[in-house]
Amino acid sequence: GAGVSQSPSNKVTEKGKDVELRCDPISGHTALYWYRQRLGQGLEFLIYFQGNSAPDKSGLPSDRFSAERTGESVSTLTIQRTQQEDSAVYLCASSRRDRLTDTQYFGPGTRLTVL
Amino acid sequence: AQSVTQPDIHITVSEGASLELRCNYSYGATPYLFWYVQSPGQGLQLLLKYFSGDTLVQGIKGFEAEFKRSQSSFNLRKPSVHWSDAAEYFCAVGAGSDSWGKLQFGAGTQVVVTP
Repeated sequence: GAGVSQSPSNKVTEKGKDVELRCDPISGHTALYWYRQRLGQGLEFLIYFQGNSAPDKSGLPSDRFSAERTGESVSTLTIQRTQQEDSAVYLCASSRRDRLTDTQYFGPGTRLTVL
Repeated sequence: AQSVTQPDIHITVSEGASLELRCNYSYGATPYLFWYVQSPGQGLQLLLKYFSGDTLVQGIKGFEAEFKRSQSSFNLRKPSVHWSDAAEYFCAVGAGSDSWGKLQFGAGTQVVVTP
């Protein structure tokens, strides 16, 4: 497909378990962004990649959160020892370059529920 | 640091009526401003953006927005809404042309369209 895809679409897990969320950006897009959207709130920036490097990780809430990107393509967001406050929709976006002038295209998100 | 406020959490509008969604930003220089729409089950889609120049910006789906520096506002308008416009709308601001694509989002406005 031509758009950004994310998997799984829904994930229910128990408190304390680790989860991995995947993002497949649009082919050729060098920039990739992760956002979190809590219920009733706007999007909260987590981390972004330019190529396989992450110049800005400032939005990661704690050291339980990590992300990587390989082959300048797929990215994985990992949450270790999940907590109930991690419940949210996690959105991924990609753009041609890491500039504001380049439109960010969003995936449908992964809805994470921590019981 | 920039911030975005969307004063209206929820708006109900009749089909065929006009719609205006408010957005106020806080940023020292000329911001880069965006409006995104999130329909149920869909990813965020860019409606329009403002970088410079003409302060009235036309977007997709018949939407337009006007940048008013004196009021620090970037309100979104549509002259006649369609039932398919029911969605959540997010205003976002970026730091500037030399910055990478980090966006600060407002909390969103939910739009309900009645027959």
